[in-house]
Amino acid sequence: QKEVEQNSGPLSVPEGAIASLNCTYSDRGSQSFFWYRQYSGKSPELIMFIYSNGDKEDGRFTAQLNKASQYVSLLIRDSQPSDSATYLCAVNNYGGSQGNLIFGKGTKLSVKP
Amino acid sequence: NAGVMQNPRHLVRRRGQEARLRCSPMKGHSHVYWYRQLPEEGLKFMVYLQKENIIDESGMPKERFSAEFPKEGPSILRIQQVVRGDSAAYFCASSLRPGTGGVQPQHFGDGTRLSIL
Repeated sequence: QKEVEQNSGPLSVPEGAIASLNCTYSDRGSQSFFWYRQYSGKSPELIMFIYSNGDKEDGRFTAQLNKASQYVSLLIRDSQPSDSATYLCAVNNYGGSQGNLIFGKGTKLSVKP
Repeated sequence: NAGVMQNPRHLVRRRGQEARLRCSPMKGHSHVYWYRQLPEEGLKFMVYLQKENIIDESGMPKERFSAEFPKEGPSILRIQQVVRGDSAAYFCASSLRPGTGGVQPQHFGDGTRLSIL
């Protein structure tokens, strides 16, 4: 059974701080890793994806991947109250989008003004 | 709006009725995926389709559930003889054709909230 694990939270950080969200996965064959943000009652919105070991930065967001440890994380710098949402980690066993994504249950982030 | 379009946004059915959920992929996307999200649970894959072809239905219950993506028109997720346990949010995602170049992520629609009375 392929699994993706996330700490359910809630993770509470003050405005302006760095929020660190973590995710582990069980299948060593996993190739692509995705972070989605989901506001309550809304659809998942793609934030970033990563497929190579190391860091990938996009604005205030940095995704980090360590395939040896089967670990992927998302850092949010200068957190804003509008970042308060549930963050979903998803894993794909294919190099492209082909095939299904396996999602974690999500980490609820709360950014306090 | 060039995004993934799902309708209806909310659907109420009585036990035993049929539910039909529709999904039009993002413009230019030829791959459609259906996921189900139960309250306080993660998204669970159901089925992956291309036009006129089911690629992977490993996540879809064998009974009562079916999906199609015809040559013309939206993808349809059909649930026959609904039961209370079918109450959930059903999300559709779409992507470009694999091999278009690099990772092609899936983009989600706003979902259909299905309630069974």
